[in-house]
Amino acid sequence: ETGVTQTPRHLVMGMTNKKSLKCEQHLGHNAMYWYKQSAKKPLELMFVYSLEERVENNSVPSRFSPECPNSSHLFLHLHTLQPEDSALYLCASSQVDGQNSPLHFGNGTRLTVT
Amino acid sequence: KNQVEQSPQSLIILEGKNCTLQCNYTVSPFSNLRWYKQDTGRGPVSLTIMTFSENTKSNGRYTATLDADTKQSSLHITASQLSDSASYICVVSGNDYKLSFGAGTTVTVRA
Repeated sequence: ETGVTQTPRHLVMGMTNKKSLKCEQHLGHNAMYWYKQSAKKPLELMFVYSLEERVENNSVPSRFSPECPNSSHLFLHLHTLQPEDSALYLCASSQVDGQNSPLHFGNGTRLTVT
Repeated sequence: KNQVEQSPQSLIILEGKNCTLQCNYTVSPFSNLRWYKQDTGRGPVSLTIMTFSENTKSNGRYTATLDADTKQSSLHITASQLSDSASYICVVSGNDYKLSFGAGTTVTVRA
């Protein structure tokens, strides 16, 4: 158990579907993140929420829509995705009042868009 | 161009042997550098973190070094075990709290 739980672990969806990824952290952190991990590429930051406010939106297409209802939960709503969106989506949390605080990652959702 | 470059992209070593992974970065100004280990099917887990003033830090059989002048870091794995098979990711933080990730080095340890 990593302290950050992501569901589902695997998701296959068609391009016209709507689905949501869920992330929950049990570490008492005040910031949560969505990252995209594609094979052989560095992690790409998608969204950051600090104290439940979105502080970063890294030019992510509008077909990805984040939601952070409280400091422990983070969602990523997906609609009309493209095959190139297939990747591992990682959620992370951290405590932002210490710059040396590491990210704590969940085990990710493996997304396949058909 | 990515600000964090890792080498090699992948390597295979025999169980019990040592290996060294490299990380070169151009992030400036620099705050800290972290190494993460990512097992297959899992999220990355922090191994070490080093600030500007630290040259070396160990975590069990993992030893990280940092040369802030040349902007280079290495991760040395001693007496490798099968459980060391994973991807190792170098992450550099600038003073603006933003993180720059390397693409990772995939290590395969064979019996």
